[in-house]
Amino acid sequence: ETGVTQSPTHLIKTRGQQVTLRCSSQSGHNTVSWYQQALGQGPQFIFQYYREEENGRGNFPPRFSGLQFPNYSSELNVNALELDDSALYLCASSLVAERNTGELFFGEGSRLTVL
Amino acid sequence: GENVEQHPSTLSVQEGDSAVIKCTYSDSASNYFPWYKQELGKRPQLIIDIRSNVGEKKDQRIAVTLNKTAKHFSLHITETQPEDSAVYFCAAPPPGGYQKVTFGIGTKLQVIP
Repeated sequence: ETGVTQSPTHLIKTRGQQVTLRCSSQSGHNTVSWYQQALGQGPQFIFQYYREEENGRGNFPPRFSGLQFPNYSSELNVNALELDDSALYLCASSLVAERNTGELFFGEGSRLTVL
Repeated sequence: GENVEQHPSTLSVQEGDSAVIKCTYSDSASNYFPWYKQELGKRPQLIIDIRSNVGEKKDQRIAVTLNKTAKHFSLHITETQPEDSAVYFCAAPPPGGYQKVTFGIGTKLQVIP
């Protein structure tokens, strides 16, 4: 069974630039959620993708967008980067099924630094 | 939306002692309560969860208790070991949105050998 993988692991951008982060979900999972974790804080829900459509969104502006592909992998795009976007971005996959356990399987994250 | 408060924010215990972390929530419709553990530099991982149809759930040294009337739930770790040192997060996601979880600031547990 393959776990959740994310790329890149680390990256540095400057204000105003755009970034794309990638996530491969765990084998058998059909749902991907993205989280932002600032230093010393808990993960904050950005959005969730299910069947290639956004299925819920947290309190993040539209410059945070995403995609889910037919193989359930996903991308997170952030436009017009701001200094406060510096954080660890976590992808979590899960299986939406009749008996929903609710468990999230996280990747190791992509650490973004905005200068 | 959900609103969860977690206490304490930091906790230091001697190895072998027990640790208790408490969370309160505001949405009385919440019916699923997970606990995640995040070791330094690692990913969060689910360690235990409870649904509202039971009052307690146990898994070896960890247990979670739920008081739906008072709208709080607690994580109990007994016989703590150094490897229990981590940040622990609770959550109370909305019904039907178990995976749309927003975590609180967490509790940093330090187990002193």
